[in-house]
Amino acid sequence: QSALTQSASVSGSPGQSITISCTGTSSDIGGYNYVSWYQHHPGKAPKLIISDVSNRPSGVSDRFSGSKSGNTASLTISGLQAEDDADYYCSSYTSSGAWVFGGGTELTVL
Amino acid sequence: EVQLVESGGGLVQPGGSLRLSCAASRFTFSTYWMHWVRQAPGKGPVWVSCISGDGSVTRYADSVKGRFTISRDNAKNTLYLQMTSLRAEDTAVYYCAKAGGSSGMDMDVWGQGTTVTVSS
Repeated sequence: QSALTQSASVSGSPGQSITISCTGTSSDIGGYNYVSWYQHHPGKAPKLIISDVSNRPSGVSDRFSGSKSGNTASLTISGLQAEDDADYYCSSYTSSGAWVFGGGTELTVL
Repeated sequence: EVQLVESGGGLVQPGGSLRLSCAASRFTFSTYWMHWVRQAPGKGPVWVSCISGDGSVTRYADSVKGRFTISRDNAKNTLYLQMTSLRAEDTAVYYCAKAGGSSGMDMDVWGQGTTVTVSS
């Protein structure tokens, strides 16, 4: 199972919006609505911020939103804040009964 | 607050074995699937294995099948990962994670990880 494809890095200024894309195949993202997004500050536990393509867990800011079209999922962060500076990973359930992650996108808030 | 704390990582020689533990607290451990996920330095996370709440169903990534064994002790609220025939490419931070999210197909709580280094 190949990793999902994410751009390596993205940056934005406070208050701006950014979108991170995650591309897979019909065997993972395209086949299931089980796409999740995780925020990871190095040295801390990863945090689930989007589940099942577009659902925000309780306590997650509504500045985070998710969507999917075909084999590509997207995470949008609006109103960028300094604390959003982190690594972001997408993940999907797959037809082989496993989970696959993306390589990660490093977000820099300028 | 739900908590997961991993332990058992360390330096091990190629071909060696190691057992990781994950202590769970503040949720009904026995009712949830649990996962192990690893992340090598500078790489994205990689799913390793998962186990059902009662321990009767297990799944593994192809890269660890036959070498790693996931198990759990619901009386002790603890998840395990027995790793054998370790290779340099198994070097990573190993996280345990609780299945959750709106469908139960995501990983809604993670520990901070334990580091495994396979080197001579």
